[in-house]
Amino acid sequence: GESVGLHLPTLSVQEGDNSIINCAYSNSASDYFIWYKQESGKGPQFIIDIRSNMDKRQGQRVTVLLNKTVKHLSLQIAATQPGDSAVYFCAEISQGGSEKLVFGKGMKLTVNP
Amino acid sequence: EPEVTQTPSHQVTQMGQEVILRCVPISNHLYFYWYRQILGQKVEFLVSFYNNEISEKSEIFDDQFSVERPDGSNFTLKIRSTKLEDSAMYFCASSEYSQNTIYFGEGSWLTVV
Repeated sequence: GESVGLHLPTLSVQEGDNSIINCAYSNSASDYFIWYKQESGKGPQFIIDIRSNMDKRQGQRVTVLLNKTVKHLSLQIAATQPGDSAVYFCAEISQGGSEKLVFGKGMKLTVNP
Repeated sequence: EPEVTQTPSHQVTQMGQEVILRCVPISNHLYFYWYRQILGQKVEFLVSFYNNEISEKSEIFDDQFSVERPDGSNFTLKIRSTKLEDSAMYFCASSEYSQNTIYFGEGSWLTVV
């Protein structure tokens, strides 16, 4: 069956460091991937997305890398700030017209000042 | 910036009671969704809605659940007879196009006692 999972449940970094959050997915038919950030008691906040025809996409301080060969997705956050502390989820949508976003379990990022 | 809004933010209800959770999606969006997140777990898809009908639903979305777009702005989730295991954060989401960026609301926390 389809599944999306995160390698690390927690990551603690120092302010100013770069952070890398990894995600493995098992559905080779996945077509569209989104990274979300969720702060305590709030809804998932869109960070960046990438489609399967790309292998890299950059935003403001964030970069998403997609390796379809090994079905791996990563989120890189440059110069991590305390406000980046949150749980990060990768999520995928499969091909074939599905609208269902499948989330991974989430990984907690803690940024120490 | 346009956002998805949800009410109530928190509702406590007795087992067996009906609950209606309300959402106002982003105004120019055409695709609407409900997701839920049980405490400490990942976000799970419930249902997608497009062109005034359900386009996809998960196994969680059984006969006790229904969705409605009663007017041009609101999108509701009804749980007919709540069970203890329905206690969760319910997120409404919307997107402009199919398989495009999905924006989430801040959630409605439902507690069934």
